[in-house]
Amino acid sequence: EAGVVQSPRYKIIEKKQPVAFWCNPISGHNTLYWYRQNLGQGPELLIRYENEEAVDDSQLPKDRFSAERLKGVDSTLKIQPAELGDSAVYLCASSLMRVEKTQYFGPGTRLLVL
Amino acid sequence: AQRVTQPEKLLSVFKGAPVELKCNYSYSGSPELFWYVQYSRQRLQLLLRHISRESIKGFTADLNKGETSFHLKKPFAQEEDSAMYYCALSGGNTPLVFGKGTRLSVIA
Repeated sequence: EAGVVQSPRYKIIEKKQPVAFWCNPISGHNTLYWYRQNLGQGPELLIRYENEEAVDDSQLPKDRFSAERLKGVDSTLKIQPAELGDSAVYLCASSLMRVEKTQYFGPGTRLLVL
Repeated sequence: AQRVTQPEKLLSVFKGAPVELKCNYSYSGSPELFWYVQYSRQRLQLLLRHISRESIKGFTADLNKGETSFHLKKPFAQEEDSAMYYCALSGGNTPLVFGKGTRLSVIA
């Protein structure tokens, strides 16, 4: 089994440019998470999906960030426009169900905004 | 509010020495506590969770509700234990809240 797949692995953009990250969770996992991890910090939840429904997006900066999980499988996280402070690692994780706290993480996308 | 504190950013021990990675939490309800680990060039993965009360790779962690702690321990450190360790907390249906992590370096 491939595990959680994310692409791209690295992205360098100039500020004010748009950027998108893609995540494919483990097959059969209903719950999908997007985290942001700043340097020297632990992961912080941006948004959580139960199937195709966003059930927790309170930490998502909605003025510039958006996410979707069409058909309840893979997901895309977008930033438009990117700011210097968005430089971080963006992690995707999935779990079998809402109450299952064992999350399986992808390798992450390292974003650098210049 | 939920909060996880890992007071040490870096912990260096010699091979064969005991290891204790500290984790303190703040939560008013009944928490679920986890330790996640990230080895070099690998993805973040679950090491253990307190409700399973099992030992993984020689590591154990006991939830102490009186001291609000969930320290990770291993009696004899090995070089392959060198990694980044994150303590995480969940209360009920709330998402995981991670600490800032502790980098463990085991010196040969």
